[in-house]
Amino acid sequence: EADIYQTPRYLVIGTGKKITLECSQTMGHDKMYWYQQDPGMELHLIHYSYGVNSTEKGDLSSESTVSRIRTEHFPLTLESARPSHTSQYLCASRGTFNTEAFFGQGTRLTVV
Amino acid sequence: AQSVSQHNHHVILSEAASLELGCNYSYGGTVNLFWYVQYPGQHLQLLLKYFSGDPLVKGIKGFEAEFIKSKFSFNLRKPSVQWSDTAEYFCAVIPSYGNNRLAFGKGNQVVVIP
Repeated sequence: EADIYQTPRYLVIGTGKKITLECSQTMGHDKMYWYQQDPGMELHLIHYSYGVNSTEKGDLSSESTVSRIRTEHFPLTLESARPSHTSQYLCASRGTFNTEAFFGQGTRLTVV
Repeated sequence: AQSVSQHNHHVILSEAASLELGCNYSYGGTVNLFWYVQYPGQHLQLLLKYFSGDPLVKGIKGFEAEFIKSKFSFNLRKPSVQWSDTAEYFCAVIPSYGNNRLAFGKGNQVVVIP
């Protein structure tokens, strides 16, 4: 059983609010990822990290930011949420070499 | 950066039919390959993976996939599907060395009719 947790599971907020989506893993994985997925659609990589204090932008341009101060924690922040940010956000982590990625349950964000 | 192509986004078939989903990737070096499944309302789960060795890999629930290096392909198969196989299936690739970008295809929405 994978130990990667995302909170909250569901979030409805107003336009202009600042939000942080939490992602934590207890497996000691050095690589972590954030994906954006609309229902029934593909996964778009928006951020990833290969260790503490390292973050990279993914393939999909995103107005969100991430930080990696601790190995187990990889939060994603939106400074000013907009309706276009409405989507599902998936967090994943992966070990060092020749391992698969484990996914959290996701956060379904709705901006009204 | 590497990319993944999956065709036939929507697949509808009857129980006991055979399923094959195509996956092609673009990357010149050695790669690790994965198939993930997402059942309705659930998180992504690993079906099977390929790192090296035997190009025919077997996963959970009777699924298997074959890595054909010359074709840059990693097609997923199941000889006889069940209603419970209704889900979305994603192919993913990451270089064995170098960048850490785990890239996914667009997915295949599979519906199995009882």
